[in-house]
Amino acid sequence: AIQLTQSPSSLSASVGDRVTITCRASQGISSALAWYQQKPGKAPKLLIYDASSLESGVPSRFSGSGSGTDFTLTISSLQPEDFATYYCQQFNSYPALTFGGGTKVEIK
Amino acid sequence: QVTLRESGPALVKPTQTLTLTCTFSGFSLSTSGMCVSWVRQPPGKALEWLALIDWDDDKYYSTSLKTRLTISKDTSKNQVVLTMTNMDPVDTATYYCARIGSSSWYVFDYWGQGTLVTVSS
Repeated sequence: AIQLTQSPSSLSASVGDRVTITCRASQGISSALAWYQQKPGKAPKLLIYDASSLESGVPSRFSGSGSGTDFTLTISSLQPEDFATYYCQQFNSYPALTFGGGTKVEIK
Repeated sequence: QVTLRESGPALVKPTQTLTLTCTFSGFSLSTSGMCVSWVRQPPGKALEWLALIDWDDDKYYSTSLKTRLTISKDTSKNQVVLTMTNMDPVDTATYYCARIGSSSWYVFDYWGQGTLVTVSS
């Protein structure tokens, strides 16, 4: 099974900061990766699919990049509503879908 | 407008069978490319994919839980049902149903609000 390792597991940042989260796959997955945002007590929300495509309605400060085994989610200027936990998910090995362990973005 | 809603017991005893229902609207599971999946999340932990059923009634399961899971659909009722046998306290989690709306990218574009299931005697 394809494993996804996210780093860091948590980070502290200030409003306005540029934040980068990484997701590493245990084997190459082309661009078959998505990113989700989850706030406490809420369902995850799709942000990015196909590694770099922005889901409709998602602010442009979110961007994704990468292919193969290494991927990044970047928030260009962190906003108060962006404090949340972020998950990557691969679908290259569909139907065996897997998620990363999550990265919690906290207020500094 | 796509919506999904999970329903089922909040508390089950160890060894019992859990049955969860996902009732959805705004799309048809008979449309090519559509899938409904179950994902769970233990308290404070990461998301875990469990099972998926597609428009063609193909069913897929997490390798680690395959022997305990059954997924089915009732297209006329817009429902997907998940059963999990032999429940254990480690299965305590919020269970989500989610839609995969494209066969190009198998990502979850709509989610239910989740239902917390506690396994305890």
